[in-house]
Amino acid sequence: ETGVTQTPRHLVMGMTNKKSLKCEQHLGHNAMYWYKQSAKKPLELMFVYNFKEQTENNSVPSRFSPECPNSSHLFLHLHTLQPEDSALYLCASSQDQAHQEQYFGPGTRLTVT
Amino acid sequence: KQEVTQIPAALSVPEGENLVLNCSFTDSAIYNLQWFRQDPGKGLTSLLLIQSSQREQTSGRLNASLDKSSGRSTLYIAASQPGDSATYLCAVRLSWKDTGRRALTFGSGTRLQVQP
Repeated sequence: ETGVTQTPRHLVMGMTNKKSLKCEQHLGHNAMYWYKQSAKKPLELMFVYNFKEQTENNSVPSRFSPECPNSSHLFLHLHTLQPEDSALYLCASSQDQAHQEQYFGPGTRLTVT
Repeated sequence: KQEVTQIPAALSVPEGENLVLNCSFTDSAIYNLQWFRQDPGKGLTSLLLIQSSQREQTSGRLNASLDKSSGRSTLYIAASQPGDSATYLCAVRLSWKDTGRRALTFGSGTRLQVQP
């Protein structure tokens, strides 16, 4: 148990659906991250939020829309996804964005049909 | 652009063996390096964090070393056990001055299987 929770753990959605992934951290951290892990590829950073402000967008398609309403919660809104978006989506947090150890959630396994 | 490579991609050893996992990175201007463990379909568990000023870190049967100048890190696992079976990931964070690369850059991992 790392103190970072993600829901749902598994999600199957069609290409026309709209869904959201949720991440919550109970560590008092101020930075939160979304990563994508596809089969046979390294983890890819998607977004970084530091004190609720987005500080990095790693050229992610607009069909992925992040939201950070407060330092403890992070959402990833999904719409009109493609089958190649199927992956494990991991959320992480750290004390702040400056060089601190990151703690990861268990991930959401997303399948786009 | 920072690139992180892990060798071997997969490793199978009998229980009790000592083993070494390798990680190399192309940009030596790192701030720290972190080793993670990932079980199938699960999230990442942090094992060891080495700051750029450090040479090694130890936790139980695990020892991680860092040679920043040569762009290398190794994770040494002593007396391996079947419960050590997992994918081990290496990740580096560049120096704070490189404002475009604040988050971690990951390698593809080494998939370890320890046979009972």
